[in-house]
Amino acid sequence: DAGVTQSPTHLIKTRGQQVTLRCSPKSGHDTVSWYQQALGQGPQFIFQYYEEEERQRGNFPDRFSGHQFPNYSSELNVNALLLGDSALYLCASSTLDRGSNQPQHFGDGTRLSIL
Amino acid sequence: DQQVKQNSPSLSVQEGRISILNCDYTNSMFDYFLWYKKYPAEGPTFLISISSIKDKNEDGRFTVFLNKSAKHLSLHIVPSQPGDSAVYFCAASVTDKLIFGTGTRLQVFP
Repeated sequence: DAGVTQSPTHLIKTRGQQVTLRCSPKSGHDTVSWYQQALGQGPQFIFQYYEEEERQRGNFPDRFSGHQFPNYSSELNVNALLLGDSALYLCASSTLDRGSNQPQHFGDGTRLSIL
Repeated sequence: DQQVKQNSPSLSVQEGRISILNCDYTNSMFDYFLWYKKYPAEGPTFLISISSIKDKNEDGRFTVFLNKSAKHLSLHIVPSQPGDSAVYFCAASVTDKLIFGTGTRLQVFP
């Protein structure tokens, strides 16, 4: 049973470029959340997708956008890259169960470096 | 405004002894709390969680305690093992959005 998978593992871009990161959720999960983890910090919530729609969003600019596909996989897009966007980008999946809390399970992340 | 705080950046414990990791939060709307362990070059691994309606949850060597009046939770690992050496993150959830602390690096030495 595959867990959460993310691609690519590493990516190097220059300022002003655009990037797309990909995530496949754990089997049986329908909700995907994206987080940004800067060096020495905890992950910060970017947004969450459920039923192909953005369900909620953290404090990130519109340069950060996403998409969820019918098979529950997801993409994170970042436009007009800045040096400060250099970070580990983590995808987490879970099951949206309004009756009980369910833990989110994380992939190994994509390390994005901006030159 | 940091809603979840882990005030100890590091902790060193001898193998076989108890490790206690602490976490404080400010938002009384949090309804679910989790602990994750992270090794270098890997994503966070879910360890244990607790609902806000409980004050204790146990899973093998791991126990999480929640003190709502103090807005404090702790993770106890007994006995500690060298393989437990990692960075531990506490997270709090409201509407299924996780807010993380900055992590505590645990080192378990022989």
